[in-house]
Amino acid sequence: DIHMTQSPSSLSASVGDRVTITCRASLRISTYLSWYQQRPGKAPKLLIYAASNLQSGVPSRFGGSGSGTEFTLIISSLQPEDFGTYFCLQSYSTPWTFGQGTKVEIK
Amino acid sequence: EVQLAESGGGLVQPGGSLRLSCEASGFNFNTFSINWVRQAPGKGLEWISYISLTSGSIYYADSVRGRLTISRDIAKNSVYLQMNSLRAEDTAVYFCARSRNSGMDVWGQGTTVTVSS
Repeated sequence: DIHMTQSPSSLSASVGDRVTITCRASLRISTYLSWYQQRPGKAPKLLIYAASNLQSGVPSRFGGSGSGTEFTLIISSLQPEDFGTYFCLQSYSTPWTFGQGTKVEIK
Repeated sequence: EVQLAESGGGLVQPGGSLRLSCEASGFNFNTFSINWVRQAPGKGLEWISYISLTSGSIYYADSVRGRLTISRDIAKNSVYLQMNSLRAEDTAVYFCARSRNSGMDVWGQGTTVTVSS
């Protein structure tokens, strides 16, 4: 199985800050990587697919990069509505696996 | 509106069975693969099953293989998850999600399964 390691596990940042979340795959997965935001009690929401493509309707302050084993989600200017937990997902090979999540809090 | 809606969750005793449903609306159901993803209380997300648009490809996580069966009914725009021999560790919110562009772009609201005596 491909193991996905996210870092950090949590962070606290101020409105306007640049936030970076990293996901590392235990094997090379090309760009079969997507990012999700999940607010408490809600379903996950797709932000980025194929490592760097912004999902329709998602604000442009969200961006993704990487290929192979190292991937990054960047929020260029954190907004109050960006709180929640962020997950990466590899869909290169089954079983598809999620990172353990990064909890983002607004200071 | 493009939507997925899960139903069928509830309280079941260990060893019991449930069938979850995921009904699609607002899009051509025949042209998308569907996943089931679960989330145990206070935990992260776990992918558990996938069914391709023609049901020709079906995959399961090791944690559920042999106990859960995924299927789809094109006429009813629905995907099902038959869950047998349920265990306490199957307690979770179960989401169905549409596959697209190597991601999951549409999610249902989730249905809660509690396995307890």
